[in-house]
Amino acid sequence: QKEVEQNSGPLSVPEGAIASLNCTYSDRGSQSFFWYRQYSGKSPELIMFIYSNGDKEDGRFTAQLNKASQYVSLLIRDSQPSDSATYLCAVNMASNTGKLIFGQGTTLQVKP
Amino acid sequence: DAGVIQSPRHEVTEMGQEVTLRCKPISGHNSLFWYRQTMMRGLELLIYFNNNVPIDDSGMPEDRFSAKMPNASFSTLKIQPSEPRDSAVYFCASSFSRGGLNEQFFGPGTRLTVL
Repeated sequence: QKEVEQNSGPLSVPEGAIASLNCTYSDRGSQSFFWYRQYSGKSPELIMFIYSNGDKEDGRFTAQLNKASQYVSLLIRDSQPSDSATYLCAVNMASNTGKLIFGQGTTLQVKP
Repeated sequence: DAGVIQSPRHEVTEMGQEVTLRCKPISGHNSLFWYRQTMMRGLELLIYFNNNVPIDDSGMPEDRFSAKMPNASFSTLKIQPSEPRDSAVYFCASSFSRGGLNEQFFGPGTRLTVL
């Protein structure tokens, strides 16, 4: 089992819809969780982090964390074509202070 | 504020040549990470430093790869000799590590092509 798993997609949603991206992780003691967006040919860009159970909202983005079920998700409301990118989930495992484990990423396509 | 700076942005070299990639982290950050990204393997951590000291180099593929961080504002990743399978995008990232919160910020990357 991979330490951090994401569905590679592509996930295709129409413009204006809600996009839901999911990530599961193996280490129950993991402390903090990050979502990065990566446009084709560009570097990963941090868009959100979460470390407490529940929801965290920032504009059109909501991160959801459920430590009991070991999953973290990212919701994008009112999806725009400019949201089309690969979204990487990263987890700070309990055994490491600085190291992040990245998932393979989910490709999101928002169709006009 | 300047972000993470990497050079060169593109490097094309021939098999067997030495390649040196450079990184300047964000000022004030105490951790630096070197990643490699390919379509097949995704984003892989090669090595990371905390306060200029290498902490985990388990991701370094083999002895042909070496990394140094002589001071808080500069790091290098060297490949000698280079091979075609080393072709990838190499990212440097930095963070200010504090307990469980470690947001990493990535540089623009170096696209390496080994012919």
